[in-house]
Formats: sequence, structure tokens, C-alpha cells
Amino acid sequence: GEDVEQSLFLSVREGDSSVINCTYTDSSSTYLYWYKQEPGAGLQLLTYIFSNMDMKQDQRLTVLLNKKDKHLSLRIADTQTGDSAIYFCAEGFGGFKTIFGAGTRLFVKA
Amino acid sequence: SAVISQKPSRDICQRGTSLTIQCQVDSQVTMMFWYRQQPGQSLTLIATANQGSEATYESGFVIDKFPISRPNLTFSTLTVSNMSPEDSSIYLCSVVPGQKVETQYFGPGTRLLVL
Repeated sequence: GEDVEQSLFLSVREGDSSVINCTYTDSSSTYLYWYKQEPGAGLQLLTYIFSNMDMKQDQRLTVLLNKKDKHLSLRIADTQTGDSAIYFCAEGFGGFKTIFGAGTRLFVKA
Repeated sequence: SAVISQKPSRDICQRGTSLTIQCQVDSQVTMMFWYRQQPGQSLTLIATANQGSEATYESGFVIDKFPISRPNLTFSTLTVSNMSPEDSSIYLCSVVPGQKVETQYFGPGTRLLVL
């Protein structure tokens, strides 16, 4: 079946780069997403990548997709305290079906 | 993009009672969804709210427990019926504006605690 896994916690120092990793089991997804959830708020779509791409860069965010290993990563350059949040990896399939990971809680230390 | 609001933002309820959660979108959208986010877990799709017809429920969710209304293209409600402590969760409304399937937006969520 479909499963998306992420590590639960990541702690980095302010100014360092953060790398959040995600693995998935079903390779038939069309899109792969990263969402951010700040305390008390809903999910905010950060970025997404088509499943036929290897990399996408958007300002401080870099998404890498390794389809062979079914591995997705999100790199945040120059991490700031405002980046502290829960980051969800998700797979999107046809028919608006989306499978979410459990989220990685990012702590940024000043 | 789409701006989504939910009411209430949070509630504490007694077991056996029911709570209706409202979702309002600032533009007409075809696809609206309801998700549940249990503590420390990922989001789980409850159902797709279809305008003018019954909602489509995912495996493990039934209409009697989670009745959904979708009277128009900007509004939906989810009712959590006959609540138990296991229903304590965050309930999120989500929409896909237009036909861009890759962009899914979420409301701020309703935090429910059942005692």
C-alpha cells in the first residue's frame, strides 16, 4: 500500500542548512509535496515537484527527488527561527488523492 | 490561491454530543475535502465533499459518524457525531481551486478535544 515516512525531529542552528528527508513506497504518484504547519495554523503548501523531475529550487528551498530510491528531500538554506514548524511530505496521485507523512518537527536554535 | 476559514477554531466537548465544523472559502471551488490529523500523526482523508450530492467517504469513515453538507461551491460542514475521546483531533478543510490538481490549500483547522 501507500506509505510515506519521515523522521520526527530535526534540530539545527540558525544560519545552517536544514535537510528534511522523506521516503515513500508507491512510485506511481504524480506529484510530491512539501507542506509547512506552524503552531496553531493549517498546512501551507511550500513547494512541489513533478514526479518526472529530479530537482526544483525556489529561493531558499531545494527539493531533490530520487525516484530509484523513492526518496524526497527538502533543503532549507540559511535556516531562520521563523522556519521552526512541522514539515509534511506528501504524495499526490490522480483523482486528488494525497498521502501524507507524519511530519518532521524542525527546531531552529538561535 | 484560496483563503479558507473554519469555525470553530477549537472546542472542548462532552462524549456523546455532536459538533458541526464549518468551512468557508473565499472563491468557488469544485473540490473540497475534510481531513483528520490525530495527535502526532499524519493527515488522513475523511471524505470528499461533493456539491449537490452525497460526500464520498474513505475507508474507515462512514456518513452516520461524519455527516457532511456541501450546499454550494464556497461552503461545507462536517459533523462529528456521538463523540468519544478517540475523536479528539484536528479537523482540516481543504480545497483544490480550479483544475490545478497540484495545488491543494488547507484551512487553519478545528482543534477538538472530547472529554
